[in-house]
Amino acid sequence: NAGVTQTPKFQVLKTGQSMTLQCAQDMNHEYMSWYRQDPGMGLRLIHYSVGAGITDQGEVPNGYNVSRSTTEDFPLRLLSAAPSQTSVYFCASSPRGGVTKNIQYFGAGTRLSVL
Amino acid sequence: KNEVEQSPQNLTAQEGEFITINCSYSVGISALHWLQQHPGGGIVSLFMLSSGKKKHGRLIATINIQEKHSSLHITASHPRDSAVYICAVRRTGNQFYFGTGTSLTVIP
Repeated sequence: NAGVTQTPKFQVLKTGQSMTLQCAQDMNHEYMSWYRQDPGMGLRLIHYSVGAGITDQGEVPNGYNVSRSTTEDFPLRLLSAAPSQTSVYFCASSPRGGVTKNIQYFGAGTRLSVL
Repeated sequence: KNEVEQSPQNLTAQEGEFITINCSYSVGISALHWLQQHPGGGIVSLFMLSSGKKKHGRLIATINIQEKHSSLHITASHPRDSAVYICAVRRTGNQFYFGTGTSLTVIP
């Protein structure tokens, strides 16, 4: 059981480049979220989704887009990378019901540097 | 001001010591989570609490809803417990707010 898979693990971009961080889960979870983790700060929510076709903004959405065309996939797009987006990005999923309701399962993270 | 405050920020303990990490929050919540982040960066969920106390092995988590406070205790600490422990509160839906974490080092 793979859980939550994030790719790539590391990425270096130049300012202005675009890229997509991939996130896939095989647990049929309804909820998926993207967070960024910066030194001295807690994880901050970028965007989240409560099901296929439904997305919403979190605390720090500017400069990022998401879509949720399937239950399994929740890609995060950086439209025009900026040095302020240098961070570690985590994707998480959680079930809406059941024994593990609302327990979050995290991917291994993507370390992104924007030069 | 963060909605979630943790203390201490850093903690060093000798192997075998009893450890307490504290979390205070200032907003209404539906549940509180304790997470563990290993030096390699992976994050795992340890507990989800909405009231009372939970125990898993040497880890115990408590929550006092009236005082908006939770504690994570580690009994008989071991070097493999060295990690960052993160408190997170769940508000409406699936939105979480996270503390900045407590970095724990257990020395043999």
